[in-house]
Amino acid sequence: GDSVTQMEGPVTLSEEAFLTINCTYTATGYPSLFWYVQYPGEGLQLLLKATKADDKGSNKGFEATYRKETTSFHLEKGSVQVSDSAVYFCALLSRGAQKLVFGQGTRLTINP
Amino acid sequence: DAGVIQSPRHEVTEMGQEVTLRCKPISGHDYLFWYRQTMMRGLELLIYFNNNVPIDDSGMPEDRFSAKMPNASFSTLKIQPSEPRDSAVYFCASSRGTHGNTIYFGEGSWLTVV
Repeated sequence: GDSVTQMEGPVTLSEEAFLTINCTYTATGYPSLFWYVQYPGEGLQLLLKATKADDKGSNKGFEATYRKETTSFHLEKGSVQVSDSAVYFCALLSRGAQKLVFGQGTRLTINP
Repeated sequence: DAGVIQSPRHEVTEMGQEVTLRCKPISGHDYLFWYRQTMMRGLELLIYFNNNVPIDDSGMPEDRFSAKMPNASFSTLKIQPSEPRDSAVYFCASSRGTHGNTIYFGEGSWLTVV
């Protein structure tokens, strides 16, 4: 079945550091890919998405590129801020399906 | 536009009591989802509806859990009787059913069963 694997956390960085959170997936066909973010005590918010190969999703300085050849959708940000501290979830939505399949989440802490 | 609205935001109840969680999806969305989030199991899909009809309830843990969607703007998730292991955050989400369309989440109902 479809699955998403994220790098294990927690990840702790200093402010202004470069961030990469790895995400790989297994799916039949061509799924849509998503990154959701969950700030402490809040629900999940869509951060960015890509619906086809080579698409790049971007938002709030974050970006991720849909790589079909490596079945990956790694999240990157060039300079993180303390306010980026949250849990990040990679997810996929298979074509023809309506169920999001989530990775296990990666907790990110940014220290000043 | 208002997002997905859930209530209550927080609930503490005693084991054996009935718990009802409520959700109002975004207007115009034809899919509604109930997810549960725990430290041990992460995010799990419990059930989802399309046009008010349950499509897949394979994630519902057991008969103590039930979900209804009487109309396009309201859904409930009920646990009866509740147990401590049901303590979790329950998220409702909705989407417009087109491929790649975003699924929008509510802020969650944080349930503690003591």
